Amino acid sequence: AQSVSQHNHHVILSEAASLELGCNYSYGGTVNLFWYVQYPGQHLQLLLKYFSGDPLVKGIKGFEAEFIKSKFSFNLRKPSVQWSDTAEYFCACRDTDKLIFGTGTRLQVFP
Amino acid sequence: NAGVTQTPKFQVLKTGQSMTLQCAQDMNHNSMYWYRQDPGMGLRLIYYSASEGTTDKGEVPNGYNVSRLNKREFSLRLESAAPSQTSVYFCASSVGTSNEQFFGPGTRLTVL
Repeated sequence: AQSVSQHNHHVILSEAASLELGCNYSYGGTVNLFWYVQYPGQHLQLLLKYFSGDPLVKGIKGFEAEFIKSKFSFNLRKPSVQWSDTAEYFCACRDTDKLIFGTGTRLQVFP
Repeated sequence: NAGVTQTPKFQVLKTGQSMTLQCAQDMNHNSMYWYRQDPGMGLRLIYYSASEGTTDKGEVPNGYNVSRLNKREFSLRLESAAPSQTSVYFCASSVGTSNEQFFGPGTRLTVL
C-alpha cells in the first residue's frame, strides 16, 4: 500500500522567509498527489494537485509544488510566507480508490 | 451550495454510549469518506464509500460502522464509545475516487 512521509513536523519562519515542505510517497506508477491546508480551527482545503503533465504545479495563495518522479517527492514551496500562512499542511497521495495522508507539518509564521 | 455538512459540531459522550455522526453533501459526488484526526497522526481513514451502495474499511475501522443512506448522506456510528475514540472527525466527498476531496467542518468528539 502507498504511504506518505512528511519529515518536517513543525516549521517556524519569519514573514518574508522562503518555505519548502517535504513530501515523499512510497512507490511509483501513476500517482495523483495533493497538498491540503488546514487553518486553525477550520477544515482542510485544497492548495494544489498534480495528476499529470507539467511537474511544476501552481496553486492558490502563491504556493507551488514540484513533482520529481525519480525522488518520489512532491515538495511544497512558497517564495515569501505571510503570517496568514500559519496553518497545518498535509500532503496526500491516491492509493487505488482512496487518499493516503501524511502526518502533517505545522507551520508557524511570526511577523 | 453548502458543500459538505456535518452534525453535530461538538459532542461529549461517556464510555459505552453510542452515537451517530451525520454527513451530507450537495455536490452530487459519488464518493464519501470518514476520517479521524489526532495530533501527530494526520488524517486516518476510517471507512469510505466509493459509490452509493458500497462501503469499505479504511485504515482504522475498529469500533465504527457506517451507512451510505443515499448518494448525499454517509453516517458514522460508534456503537460503544471508548476514550480512544476521542478525536476530531471529518467527512469528505469527491466526484470520483481519484479526484480531490472536499471536507466538512468536522465534529469534535470527547469520550469520558
